[in-house]
Amino acid sequence: ETGVTQSPTHLIKTRGQQVTLRCSSQSGHNTVSWYQQALGQGPQFIFQYYREEENGRGNFPPRFSGLQFPNYSSELNVNALELDDSALYLCASSPGPNNQPQHFGDGTRLSIL
Amino acid sequence: AQSVTQLDSQVPVFEEAPVELRCNYSSSVSVYLFWYVQYPNQGLQLLLKYLSGSTLVESINGFEAEFNKSQTSFHLRKPSVHISDTAEYFCAVSDPLHNAGNMLTFGGGTRLMVKP
Repeated sequence: ETGVTQSPTHLIKTRGQQVTLRCSSQSGHNTVSWYQQALGQGPQFIFQYYREEENGRGNFPPRFSGLQFPNYSSELNVNALELDDSALYLCASSPGPNNQPQHFGDGTRLSIL
Repeated sequence: AQSVTQLDSQVPVFEEAPVELRCNYSSSVSVYLFWYVQYPNQGLQLLLKYLSGSTLVESINGFEAEFNKSQTSFHLRKPSVHISDTAEYFCAVSDPLHNAGNMLTFGGGTRLMVKP
């Protein structure tokens, strides 16, 4: 059984650029959630995708957007990057939007210069 | 709205000593409770969870946590720690009635540092 995989593992961007992060969910999981973990802090919920629709959103501006594909993989897109966007971005998948526990990937480390 | 407070940002302890990592939460609804562990450069691994039933839950590697509704706490304990337990520990809650019911609200984390 393949777990949650994220790509790339590391990324460096400059302010104002756009970035796309990718997540492959665990086999059989139709729900993907994204979290932002700033250095030294706990993860914060960005949004969740269930059956290709956004199913819940945290307190993040619209420049954070996402997609889910028919195979349940997902993308996180961030436009107009700011220095504060530097963080570890974690993806988690589950068999449904109410199922526990979620299974986390190892994350993408995004650095903004 | 929910919030989670982990009272200690760092806990240094000697190997084979007992440890308690404290977690308090605030919520107007019934919640599910979790402890996750994060090793350097890795994602989060579930350590244990409380969904219902017995208020004392245990993990396979010797950790346990007790849900205390009156004190809104879910403290994590281990009677004897190992060097390999050195990691960051996160307490989290979810509201099962939310449309994204498994959305997690995390505390700020506690760094457990086990010394030889």
